[in-house]
Amino acid sequence: NAGVTQTPKFRVLKTGQSMTLLCAQDMNHEYMYWYRQDPGMGLRLIHYSVGEGTTAKGEVPDGYNVSRLKKQNFLLGLESAAPSQTSVYFCASSRGQGRGWDTQYFGPGTRLTVL
Amino acid sequence: QKEVEQDPGPLSVPEGAIVSLNCTYSNSAFQYFMWYRQYSRKGPELLMYTYSSGNKEDGRFTAQVDKSSKYISLFIRDSQPSDSATYLCAMDELTGGGNKLTFGTGTQLKVEL
Repeated sequence: NAGVTQTPKFRVLKTGQSMTLLCAQDMNHEYMYWYRQDPGMGLRLIHYSVGEGTTAKGEVPDGYNVSRLKKQNFLLGLESAAPSQTSVYFCASSRGQGRGWDTQYFGPGTRLTVL
Repeated sequence: QKEVEQDPGPLSVPEGAIVSLNCTYSNSAFQYFMWYRQYSRKGPELLMYTYSSGNKEDGRFTAQVDKSSKYISLFIRDSQPSDSATYLCAMDELTGGGNKLTFGTGTQLKVEL
């Protein structure tokens, strides 16, 4: 099993360009998450999904859109990139146990620079 | 003020030392407390989790939670160079509909030979 994979690993964008980050998991997990990690800020939740076809906003959703058309994939889109979106983006997934707690498994990250 | 505060370090210790890593928090609704380890340029991986107050031990690692003081700790005994990483604390209210974690900023640890 590959676990959680992210594509691409690195990307440089110019201000105003758009791009999509792809997250894939092969663990048949229900829940998926997108985080960004910035120095001095820790990991912050952007959007998440509790099942195929569902998405919800996290702590810092502005400037991002997401889609979960297939259970194994969670896409993060930047419609018009801004320098403030320069960050390392992590995807995570978890089995999903309703009100119970379960482990979040993280991908290796995507390093995005917006010039 | 952030919900979760964590000293960023860096913390440098000699091999074999006992390491103490700490987080404080302000949200009394947090119920689950986790420690993640993140190696440079890698994703975080879960090290330990604890429910409510108390201690939990796993090999060289011990997690402590004191809900009355809103304070959690991770102790590493007999530290090794392979423990050099950033340690992130994380907390969860368990409100349902997805486990939305609140992370500390991470403490960078270096264990030197």
